[in-house]
Formats: sequence, C-alpha cells, structure tokens
Amino acid sequence: GEDVEQSLFLSVREGDSSVINCTYTDSSSTYLYWYKQEPGAGLQLLTYIFSNMDMKQDQRLTVLLNKKDKHLSLRIADTQTGDSAIYFCAEKRDSSASKIIFGSGTRLSIRP
Amino acid sequence: EPEVTQTPSHQVTQMGQEVILRCVPISNHLYFYWYRQILGQKVEFLVSFYNNEISEKSEIFDDQFSVERPDGSNFTLKIRSTKLEDSAMYFCASRGTGNNSPLHFGNGTRLTVT
Repeated sequence: GEDVEQSLFLSVREGDSSVINCTYTDSSSTYLYWYKQEPGAGLQLLTYIFSNMDMKQDQRLTVLLNKKDKHLSLRIADTQTGDSAIYFCAEKRDSSASKIIFGSGTRLSIRP
Repeated sequence: EPEVTQTPSHQVTQMGQEVILRCVPISNHLYFYWYRQILGQKVEFLVSFYNNEISEKSEIFDDQFSVERPDGSNFTLKIRSTKLEDSAMYFCASRGTGNNSPLHFGNGTRLTVT
C-alpha cells in the first residue's frame, strides 16, 4: 500500500530526547527522509538516510533504520523550544523515478 | 543557500476561477514537483516534471490541473476552474540529478477558494 505511518503527537520536556517513529510499507524504498514544518512555513529537509544504512548521525539528530521491520526513527537530543514543529517522515521508492511519499506528520510540543 | 521561492504566499479566489501558482526552483535543478497539503492533513503528491514533460502524476492531478515551465526559471501550476476542495497549501519542490538528491521545498502558497 501507499501508507507511511506516524503517531500524530509527541510531548517532551525541554532538555530531554525526543524520538519520533515512522513505519513504511514498501520494501523497495531507497531513501527515507525527515522534514520539519514550523507553523506557517514550508518543509525543511532535516536529514535523510539510504536504505542500506542502519544509522546516521548529524549533530543533535540521529536517524535509525530497521529495514527488516520497515521502521524509521528520528531522535533529537537535548530538545529545545525551537524544535517545536511537525516532523514528516517520507520515503522514495525504487518503483517510482521521482515522487516521495509523506507520512501524516508528528506534532512535537515541548513543555518547560 | 539557494532556495525554492513561491509566489504569492496567499491567494484567495472565487469558485470557478482560474489560478496560477508560481515557483522558481533552485537554478541548477532539473526535477520539479507540486505537492499540496489540505489543512491538518497529509502532504500529497500531485505531479513531477522533468525534461519539459510530466514524469508522474497522482489521481488528484486531473484535467483541471496543468503545469508549465514557460521559461528557464519559472515552474507554474494552473488550476483551471477552482473548487472549494482545492483550498490547501501548495508546495513546489525541486531536486538535482542523482538518485540520492533530496527534494527542496518552497514555503508554499496558501490557496483559499470561496
């Protein structure tokens, strides 16, 4: 099927780590992406991972990929108020030359 | 850093009118896209464009929609006769060559059909 699934909401305390999860259905997915959308703004590419990798780290961001379970996660260390946004997981499938398919997005809110 | 720019940021139109949403992709990119996001819902793929033709389109992209690259810099989405359900945020994106080249999105045009 087409679905990329994410939980809708996540609330974390400032300074804690946030872990946003995503599952996808197509085993032919080649690249998996995380985009961030702040209120009223566009989609900002945060990071992406190729399907033959298990992990990618970029400063406070860590992406983990479990290809067997088709599970992708984004960990944000030391979460700050500026991290409040909607986070979208997206996949690019080998079967499609061009498009990427988005999940429904996870709204991350930070509490003091 | 180069950006994808979209104009206008907000467009209000009456049902049945034609609208053209404009995008300037990143200058050395060759693949162009339109996505839309109805308020509170998923970001949905509409169409991709490469080498002056549509390479892929979704079921949403029916005969009311068309895309054009009228010159070397602009990429437009036209909705011929807008419906209330066309109200959404429309995002343009572009990417370079290479299979691992990610999509870069503009800030979107909010279309409101009344």
